[in-house]
Amino acid sequence: NAGVMQNPRHLVRRRGQEARLRCSPMKGHSHVYWYRQLPEEGLKFMVYLQKENIIDESGMPKERFSAEFPKEGPSILRIQQVVRGDSAAYFCASSPVKQETQYFGPGTRLLVL
Amino acid sequence: AQTVTQSQPEMSVQEAETVTLSCTYDTSENNYYLFWYKQPPSRQMILVIRQEAYKQQNATENRFSVNFQKAAKSFSLKISDSQLGDTAMYFCAFIPTQGGSEKLVFGKGTKLTVNP
Repeated sequence: NAGVMQNPRHLVRRRGQEARLRCSPMKGHSHVYWYRQLPEEGLKFMVYLQKENIIDESGMPKERFSAEFPKEGPSILRIQQVVRGDSAAYFCASSPVKQETQYFGPGTRLLVL
Repeated sequence: AQTVTQSQPEMSVQEAETVTLSCTYDTSENNYYLFWYKQPPSRQMILVIRQEAYKQQNATENRFSVNFQKAAKSFSLKISDSQLGDTAMYFCAFIPTQGGSEKLVFGKGTKLTVNP
């Protein structure tokens, strides 16, 4: 059973560009979570999605950030007009049902120049 | 507010010895799960161990065990027979099981170095 897949693993963008981060959950998992890790920090929750629904986006900045988990295909975290402060590691996790262990992908390291 | 505190930013241990990492948390919830995740230099987040708050028995996974003190809101991780591959950042985290929250709340981590 393949683990949580994330791509790209590394992403470099210039200020003002868009960043698209992809996450494919583990097989059989319908719950997806996105977390951000700033340097020397723990992970901070951003958003929780189920297929075609955003359940909790309380940790996501109100502007420039959006997430989706379509019926078909991976979950996408989209950051528009990136700024240097967006540089971080973005982790995706998945679980089979609510209130279950979340398994993490390898993360995407975003660097904004 | 729900918080997790890891009071040891860095620790080191000699190979084959035992080390304990501390974690305290603050929550008004009665039911929750507690976790230790490991982040080696590859930066992958790897689940080490999980504890359900309603269980009195401490969880154990091979060389890893926890000391869960619910009244004190303490959840320490003991690593026995430390190996070089245990060198990593260790994060304590919890998630309440009531109220529908699905947010894992993480501490800031403890950097563990296992010396040969």
